[in-house]
Amino acid sequence: EVQLVESGGGLVQPGESLRLSCGASGFIFENYWMTWVRQAPGKGLEWVANIKEDGNEKYYVDSVKGRFTISRDNAKQSLHLEMTSLRAEDTAVYYCVRDRLELADWGQGTLVIVSS
Amino acid sequence: DIQMTQSPSSLSASVGDRVTITCRASQNIATSLNWYQQKPGKAPRLLIFAASNFQSGVPSRFRGSGSGTDFTLTISSLQPEDFAAYFCQQSYSAPFAFGQGTKLEIK
Repeated sequence: EVQLVESGGGLVQPGESLRLSCGASGFIFENYWMTWVRQAPGKGLEWVANIKEDGNEKYYVDSVKGRFTISRDNAKQSLHLEMTSLRAEDTAVYYCVRDRLELADWGQGTLVIVSS
Repeated sequence: DIQMTQSPSSLSASVGDRVTITCRASQNIATSLNWYQQKPGKAPRLLIFAASNFQSGVPSRFRGSGSGTDFTLTISSLQPEDFAAYFCQQSYSAPFAFGQGTKLEIK
């Protein structure tokens, strides 16, 4: 069974940084692209970033380019999202999702609140 | 970047009704279109991929169609468990944007 467990969310002030992690199990992690999707409270889904199996290709939505960095550790079966210069509009539940095109397997999400 | 426009943003219907949700891409995305269902407090669930292909376990009352820029999700006979939010997403080119969502409510 595919399991994705996010961690690292919390309350931070504007301008601060936060690192999200996602632990994966139940599949061969190094064989899959991985994706981060977020959802602001009461709002729709926003695709944030994805990363290729070997970590050599990464893509970002414009609103986070230059501030967020996606990375992975295949040996530890983990996915990360380094978030810097956080803004109020980054407040959301962040989901870790397996794959690139058809997002069938999602974690439960971790909540990030950016507020002073 | 490709923009996705979904309509309507909300919809009221009754059990047994047939409903259709539409999604329009800002450019040709062939059949690179997915549909998701999301219930409150839960992660989204993939329903349809590549415009018209059922994800495993999805009831046959859900049907996806379309190609190019215009797509539809049809639920042929609404069941109580279908009242939820629905999102389309293009999988043609990154960033893989979602539509803004359709909230399907009980009339």
